Amino acid sequence: KQEVTQIPAALSVPEGENLVLNCSFTDSAIYNLQWFRQDPGKGLTSLLLIQSSQREQTSGRLNASLDKSSGRSTLYIAASQPGDSATYLCASVPNSGYALNFGKGTSLLVTP
Amino acid sequence: DGGITQSPKYLFRKEGQNVTLSCEQNLNHDAMYWYRQDPGQGLRLIYYSQIVNDFQKGDIAEGYSVSREKKESFPLTVTSAQKNPTAFYLCASSVSVHYEQYFGPGTRLTVT
Repeated sequence: KQEVTQIPAALSVPEGENLVLNCSFTDSAIYNLQWFRQDPGKGLTSLLLIQSSQREQTSGRLNASLDKSSGRSTLYIAASQPGDSATYLCASVPNSGYALNFGKGTSLLVTP
Repeated sequence: DGGITQSPKYLFRKEGQNVTLSCEQNLNHDAMYWYRQDPGQGLRLIYYSQIVNDFQKGDIAEGYSVSREKKESFPLTVTSAQKNPTAFYLCASSVSVHYEQYFGPGTRLTVT
């Protein structure tokens, strides 16, 4: 079964810093990979979806990359803001399945 | 507004009672999913449905049941056979399997 790992588990940075969240997965045969944001007690908000044939996707200050051969994805957040504070989850859909396999998330705190 | 609704937001039940969680979407999506989230763990798949009148067990289906009689609705019943039902339950949908998944706001179930 696909194992998804996110490092670090928690991260605290001052406002304005650029930061990178890491996600690794054990089976490179994925259909796509999705990054989500979750605020406390809330549902998940989709941030970026990368298809297996793509190397990266960008949305505003967010950039996600995918390297299937090494089983890694990164989420880059530029010029972080306190409003970016949340838990960030990555999840992949394997070629052999239909539902997302989730990591445990990175809890991000951006301090003013 | 297009989206996914889950009701209620909070649900309290006594041990031994069955309870049904509602999930409705007006996105015209074919695929729908139920996930469970526990503290310190990633989201885990309970059931998914690719089309109306069809559904498949996920990783932790024991003690749960679902139905998919209408395209827009995918209710989840937590039965008394579920050993540890207290959790945050999230419903999601996608145009079809392997497409971007969108999540509802979740239902927090507490069983005492």
